[in-house]
Amino acid sequence: GAVVSQHPSWVICKSGTSVKIECRSLDFQATTMFWYRQFPKQSLMLMATSNEGSKATYEQGVEKDKFLINHASLTLSTLTVTSAHPEDSSFYICSARQGWSTEAFFGQGTRLTVV
Amino acid sequence: GQQLNQSPQSMFIQEGEDVSMNCTSSSIFNTWLWYKQDPGEGPVLLIALYKAGELTSNGRLTAQFGITRKDSFLNISASIPSDVGIYFCAGLSGNQFYFGTGTSLTVIP
Repeated sequence: GAVVSQHPSWVICKSGTSVKIECRSLDFQATTMFWYRQFPKQSLMLMATSNEGSKATYEQGVEKDKFLINHASLTLSTLTVTSAHPEDSSFYICSARQGWSTEAFFGQGTRLTVV
Repeated sequence: GQQLNQSPQSMFIQEGEDVSMNCTSSSIFNTWLWYKQDPGEGPVLLIALYKAGELTSNGRLTAQFGITRKDSFLNISASIPSDVGIYFCAGLSGNQFYFGTGTSLTVIP
């Protein structure tokens, strides 16, 4: 099956610093990648959708200047949390879709803790 | 974004029992997906459904695409401890996947 690798799996950073999370599709070309945020015991909240080579489309209420998304190649998308604050602490998950495939595959998730 | 209603929200069952959960939407979807998420991990795709009325199995799991295209069901037979986790349904509309609220399953040995 399709494999999506997310890195790092967990990170602790100081308030005010920036953190970059990578999402790679290992065995397919991901024309679309999705970034989600998940709070404990809750469902996945879509933050943004990115298509390779174009700007990401952010969901309402998600600050694009705070959550920078880059989808520079068909196998890599990055999410940078800029000037992180404790309230940004959460579980961030990416998923990837190949072309118009009807299936999306998820990365392992990244646990971000801002202290 | 749109969120699908999933029920029950949580289940506590004895090992060996069968499990049923469902997902409903006010909108029609052409594809339904079911995922399982273990604690601290990303969701893993279990079953994909593409046609109204379709019934698809994956081992002890069986999922159905509702005839109205507004709902889907997942059944797990003879549950085992490793079935523990959160199960999410997802509907695909255009380029967007919409997720259910999740069903947390606890299996008591």
